Amino acid sequence: EADIYQTPRYLVIGTGKKITLECSQTMGHDKMYWYQQDPGMELHLIHYSYGVNSTEKGDLSSESTVSRIRTEHFPLTLESARPSHTSQYLCATRRGSYNSPLHFGNGTRLTVT
Amino acid sequence: AQSVTQPDIHITVSEGASLELRCNYSYGATPYLFWYVQSPGQGLQLLLKYFSGDTLVQGIKGFEAEFKRSQSSFNLRKPSVHWSDAAEYFCAVNRGSRLTFGEGTQLTVNP
Repeated sequence: EADIYQTPRYLVIGTGKKITLECSQTMGHDKMYWYQQDPGMELHLIHYSYGVNSTEKGDLSSESTVSRIRTEHFPLTLESARPSHTSQYLCATRRGSYNSPLHFGNGTRLTVT
Repeated sequence: AQSVTQPDIHITVSEGASLELRCNYSYGATPYLFWYVQSPGQGLQLLLKYFSGDTLVQGIKGFEAEFKRSQSSFNLRKPSVHWSDAAEYFCAVNRGSRLTFGEGTQLTVNP
């Protein structure tokens, strides 16, 4: 079972601020993902990574950026937060094979005022 | 392109009643299928998965799902619902390196 830690759990921030959402995992899974989820809505993939120094954009266009310098760490950054960024952000990991399930963190609920 | 459809946005059942949540997918090859559950304010937890073999798969918390290729369906079932089952349920299909999720079904359980 993967242990995935997302911080902060909740964040309220003003427009124009730069923020970084943290995601760390302890199981050494090579694949990591960021999903955006509005309340009561489906999940949309915004970024994913196959491994260190590998990042790709997902299905939903996002103004955020990610980095993967270490296997266990996959932070997501918004350079200038806007109210439209208000959402829940879920980090997930997956071990090597594509038929293995995703393991999710508890998410960061972001509110931009 | 692969897609996942969950026709029911919201379902209400009484505690102790049976439950079936519908999921339809479109995918050219044999799909890898998953059901996840999400409690309020939480991440998603895997209930069960289907890759191949027996079309009836058992999961955690007493859930099961049946893969029917002819109907492109992967419906989730539970014979007797508990109040703690109230949550959002997501069906997902594997799409290469990523999962595509359905819109989710919100389950309410009445006492």
